[in-house]
Amino acid sequence: DAGITQSPRHKVTETGTPVTLRCHQTENHRYMYWYRQDPGHGLRLIHYSYGVKDTDKGEVSDGYSVSRSKTEDFLLTLESATSSQTSVYFCAISDYTEGTAGYTFGSGTRLTVV
Amino acid sequence: GQQLNQSPQSMFIQEGEDVSMNCTSSSIFNTWLWYKQDPGEGPVLLIALYKAGELTSNGRLTAQFGITRKDSFLNISASIPSDVGIYFCAGRPPQGGSEKLVFGKGTKLTVNP
Repeated sequence: DAGITQSPRHKVTETGTPVTLRCHQTENHRYMYWYRQDPGHGLRLIHYSYGVKDTDKGEVSDGYSVSRSKTEDFLLTLESATSSQTSVYFCAISDYTEGTAGYTFGSGTRLTVV
Repeated sequence: GQQLNQSPQSMFIQEGEDVSMNCTSSSIFNTWLWYKQDPGEGPVLLIALYKAGELTSNGRLTAQFGITRKDSFLNISASIPSDVGIYFCAGRPPQGGSEKLVFGKGTKLTVNP
């Protein structure tokens, strides 16, 4: 009943290499988000999208870019991975209207930059 | 920016005990949400609260939307081992940008059998 899938689930990459994480949804939700989760910091917003080709920065966007060419796909790219980007990355979706219940999260991608 | 102060950061309890955690803010929110994250998974919604003063239960879980709209608490009664995980509060601000939730940093719960 996923409705939202992230790929890959795990990735190890070398410093300086580009990395792209994919979030795919089948719910036709307007909003999509990328978060990173690190011990002591909770969930921090990297970028989000409010429609096809409409994206905006979150609180920790440096070193990351995103693209959304279709409603169902939201890509997160690390142009040149650094060790500080080792983290667990979560995608979330939302069909925000007043009174709705918030986000649905994917299962996460664990990224290790060596 | 808006922040949610979630406490405690961690809890170690015995099976069968009750648990209480809360979130506070200096800002008001229109919606309060409580999520649970199991190890290796993404957060899953437990309870959503939409009105100040609202008290909502979901099985052994009870949550309340504070009267001032600046706080919320979550109680878990008679804890069991599968309650282990990280619990996050989240709030939806009333003004522009409300499509972005504000998250607390989480309460890590450990339950000893």
